[in-house]
Amino acid sequence: SQQGEEDPQALSIQEGENATMNCSYKTSINNLQWYRQNSGRGLVHLILIRSNEREKHSGRLRVTLDTSKKSSSLLITASRAADTASYFCATDSFGNEKLTFGTGTRLTIIP
Amino acid sequence: DAGVIQSPRHEVTEMGQEVTLRCKPISGHNSLFWYRQTMMRGLELLIYFNNNVPIDDSGMPEDRFSAKMPNASFSTLKIQPSEPRDSAVYFCASMGTGELFFGEGSRLTVL
Repeated sequence: SQQGEEDPQALSIQEGENATMNCSYKTSINNLQWYRQNSGRGLVHLILIRSNEREKHSGRLRVTLDTSKKSSSLLITASRAADTASYFCATDSFGNEKLTFGTGTRLTIIP
Repeated sequence: DAGVIQSPRHEVTEMGQEVTLRCKPISGHNSLFWYRQTMMRGLELLIYFNNNVPIDDSGMPEDRFSAKMPNASFSTLKIQPSEPRDSAVYFCASMGTGELFFGEGSRLTVL
């Protein structure tokens, strides 16, 4: 069963614009992670944010976490064609390393 | 390190046949996960191991599925007998310091 739901399901933007994806989850978490999946490939880890953190940056990526709303957002700034992929959030709970993935957002960057 | 290695990358088989998928995790990673990905159900966790011991197999669909990890460098997922509804991409992933490293997946088609 899915713990997280990404929103929107699909997003198309022009190259250079910013892309924002949201993730909502249902139960208390320890960590929340974001992954990218290029078509036909395995998932690649992007960033991890802990439940006691509110914001984290990595290069052009910015992740926020609001545990009171059980939601997270992933912002990709200055998008590039190579950012075209599906993006998934994943959560685990305290004392349990099992990672449950959301439904994903398919991002298309238009050159 | 070569990353997580899965084989075969593609398998086409007929209903009723036995299928064995193989995975070599990253050396030094203590946890190994098997996921299944379909358009309808997204990414589902089937089973995960810690130090070669199955910890949570609640996602294994039914008795036709079995997984083993005889040592730290090898795991198998077996389906016997296979059915058309088992068609999916099966991913193996090993866990580093909280994040998952995925293989490229095994695309299974059961006719």
